[in-house]
Amino acid sequence: EAGVAQSPRYKIIEKRQSVAFWCNPISGHATLYWYQQILGQGPKLLIQFQNNGVVDDSQLPKDRFSAERLKGVDSTLKIQPAKLEDSAVYLCASSLGQGDVGYTFGSGTRLTVV
Amino acid sequence: QKEVEQNSGPLSVPEGAIASLNCTYSDRGSQSFFWYRQYSGKSPELIMFIYSNGDKEDGRFTAQLNKASQYVSLLIRDSQPSDSATYLCAGRTGGSYIPTFGRGTSLIVHP
Repeated sequence: EAGVAQSPRYKIIEKRQSVAFWCNPISGHATLYWYQQILGQGPKLLIQFQNNGVVDDSQLPKDRFSAERLKGVDSTLKIQPAKLEDSAVYLCASSLGQGDVGYTFGSGTRLTVV
Repeated sequence: QKEVEQNSGPLSVPEGAIASLNCTYSDRGSQSFFWYRQYSGKSPELIMFIYSNGDKEDGRFTAQLNKASQYVSLLIRDSQPSDSATYLCAGRTGGSYIPTFGRGTSLIVHP
């Protein structure tokens, strides 16, 4: 079974620039999550999709972050404009359904904002 | 506010010893708990989940849950250097499918 694919693996941008991350979940997984993990902290949920609908985006900084999951498969997360405090690893995860026990994380995208 | 607390460590144990990792949570509505292992520079991977009071064993790993005292622990028997990683505790309430993660405890198993 192929895992959760994410790209790019690393990204360095200057503050105020924009950046986009891509995620392809495990085939058949209806639920997709984007997490932000700042160094030394646990992952924090940014947004959860069920198929192509948003279930929870309460912790997404909507003034600068946006995400979409067209056709209920791939997803993109965008930051515009980026701030220094956005430096983190952005993890995508997927599961069969919302109540699934645990989920599978992708390898993440390490973003550095300078 | 839902919080999951972990000592960031590092916890250092000799090879072959039992490593004990602890986690406390503030939300009494939390019903299920997860332990994830995260190697440096890698993504978290699920190693255990527990939702009933008591112990749950899987190989060298034992998860313990005490809802009255609001703590969860993970015991790793016969610790190996390959167990050196950060261990993340996460709790999930019955009303939400989203787990809240602690900051993780760094474990170092030295030969």
